[in-house]
Amino acid sequence: DSGVTQTPKHLITATGQRVTLRCSPRSGDLSVYWYQQSLDQGLQFLIQYYNGEERAKGNILERFSAQQFPDLHSELNLSSLELGDSALYFCASSVETGSGNTIYFGEGSWLTVV
Amino acid sequence: AQTVTQSQPEMSVQEAETVTLSCTYDTSESDYYLFWYKQPPSRQMILVIRQEAYKQQNATENRFSVNFQKAAKSFSLKISDSQLGDAAMYFCASLGGRRGGGADGLTFGKGTHLIIQP
Repeated sequence: DSGVTQTPKHLITATGQRVTLRCSPRSGDLSVYWYQQSLDQGLQFLIQYYNGEERAKGNILERFSAQQFPDLHSELNLSSLELGDSALYFCASSVETGSGNTIYFGEGSWLTVV
Repeated sequence: AQTVTQSQPEMSVQEAETVTLSCTYDTSESDYYLFWYKQPPSRQMILVIRQEAYKQQNATENRFSVNFQKAAKSFSLKISDSQLGDAAMYFCASLGGRRGGGADGLTFGKGTHLIIQP
């Protein structure tokens, strides 16, 4: 158990809908990352938050947004869903130390768009 | 930008034998970190081993060790005494900068599927 908690574990929704994925980082971790794993695109970095502020942005679509709350949990919002958004969405967290980051992953949220 | 290349889509090894998974990377960062993650059929991403680029000594974790060749930008993973539970996808990844993050977060290779033959 990595200590990173993601909900829901599985989600099936229709095209055009909106969903929210939730992540609780490991205790003490200030950074939260979101990744998408699909069959054709591999593992793609979406976005990173550090202590409530956006730190880095990767290949995140405009239809997607994220935020990190004062209690450090994070949510990834996916809207106007398309079939191609079906994927495994990972949240990861890390504590930034002087020796750099070690990033731990949650178990992922499986999203199926039908 | 960083790139990570795993040239072996699939590897097979006999149980109890040793196997080496290859990884090469490219980065413009002067300070970076390299990782191997294991993804079993459950799809959970499990950290196997971590290497700081500024350390010359190769990282080891029990049966797992790396061969880090900084000049060649090579970062291979050696699994000794392979066990059935080692069967999984293995991803090599890089992370740039002392504080991490940056424009790319963790950059992953496409993975190597490791099969353990009993």
